[in-house]
Amino acid sequence: EDQVTQSPEALRLQEGESSSLNCSYTVSGLRGLFWYRQDPGKGPEFLFTLYSAGEEKEKERLKATLTKKESFLHITAPKPEDSATYLCAVLNYGGSQGNLIFGKGTKLSVKP
Amino acid sequence: DAGVTQSPTHLIKTRGQQVTLRCSPKSGHDTVSWYQQALGQGPQFIFQYYEEEERQRGNFPDRFSGHQFPNYSSELNVNALLLGDSALYLCASTNFRDSPIYGYTFGSGTRLTVV
Repeated sequence: EDQVTQSPEALRLQEGESSSLNCSYTVSGLRGLFWYRQDPGKGPEFLFTLYSAGEEKEKERLKATLTKKESFLHITAPKPEDSATYLCAVLNYGGSQGNLIFGKGTKLSVKP
Repeated sequence: DAGVTQSPTHLIKTRGQQVTLRCSPKSGHDTVSWYQQALGQGPQFIFQYYEEEERQRGNFPDRFSGHQFPNYSSELNVNALLLGDSALYLCASTNFRDSPIYGYTFGSGTRLTVV
């Protein structure tokens, strides 16, 4: 069964304290791995798409990497405005589970 | 450029009632997917519409049904509401051929509370 697991569930950082979020996945046919940011009461906001092992994408303080079984979202020198829930999702080749399969997310809190 | 628009933003219904949620996709998008997000969980795929047909369906009962109109907008209908249907309902749109590249654009959702 296709599955996405994110860890940790919650992460508290001090402003400037770098860290990484993990997304491990099991999928029969990977078409893409997506990272989204979700603020409370809002819909997910697209951050990155990764397609193949070894690929990296960067945006401001965020950097996403992909291996054959997991992806990492590295946050460098975070600021309080980076506080949000970060969701990882995989797009498979179809089947009964549908298209985007999400993990439960990592809730990030950055204190000043 | 307007993104994905959902209405209403909040809704309170009584158990057993029926509800209709609406979604207008982002300009240029032709595919609409619906997701259910319970509190503290990731979104779960309900179904996807393309060319006015249901193309894929997740593990949801037949009480959940939908429709896509010629202008690509979509509706999600839920019959015989249960307390467990309380959730944030998200609409996501994409261009059918581009989804692996650009992902999906999500609306802000409709918060449904069943009492």
